[in-house]
Amino acid sequence: DVKVTQSSRYLVKRTGEKVFLECVQDMDHENMFWYRQDPGLGLRLIYFSYDVKMKEKGDIPEGYSVSREKKERFSLILESASTNQTSMYLCASGPAGKVYNEQFFGPGTRLTVL
Amino acid sequence: KQEVTQIPAALSVPEGENLVLNCSFTDSAIYNLQWFRQDPGKGLTSLLLIQSSQREQTSGRLNASLDKSSGRSTLYIAASQPGDSATYLCAVRNWNSGYALNFGKGTSLLVTP
Repeated sequence: DVKVTQSSRYLVKRTGEKVFLECVQDMDHENMFWYRQDPGLGLRLIYFSYDVKMKEKGDIPEGYSVSREKKERFSLILESASTNQTSMYLCASGPAGKVYNEQFFGPGTRLTVL
Repeated sequence: KQEVTQIPAALSVPEGENLVLNCSFTDSAIYNLQWFRQDPGKGLTSLLLIQSSQREQTSGRLNASLDKSSGRSTLYIAASQPGDSATYLCAVRNWNSGYALNFGKGTSLLVTP
């Protein structure tokens, strides 16, 4: 089975802190994704990566950056956390190619910024 | 931009009923459509993936259909059980949006004993 793990289930940070959310997948997938999920807004794509050191902006990249130094790990960075970044963050991975492939999701990290 | 809508937003049914969840999308140029289940506070579990060339997919008591030309998909759940209670999300992948999934806001299902 595909396994996507996220470093924390719950996280509480203060405004202005630098926050790292880590995601690891064990299926040698090329593609990895970060989404955030908010009530009434659904899931929205923040960033994705289709290869090591490659990244592409999604729909809402402002206030975020990402890092992919190794194939299995994709990090989401909040350079200076703000209260409007309080949300559920979901990581996903999928094999190469965009046509036929599923995305598999991790359990999520619920981030609260005070 | 692709818009994905799911109706109804919430549904409550007694155990044993067959039910249909609806998903519609505005841009029919899709690669595929994926149905997910999400339990409260948890991540997403993939249920079914339908390619654009397919009309339906089945897994156990679940059947998903796709009518690409009309921009619609349905998820049929047979003989519902309390364990089916969750939020069901529909997501499509477009030809012009690369790798991204566009999600609906989900249908929250409650199956009562």
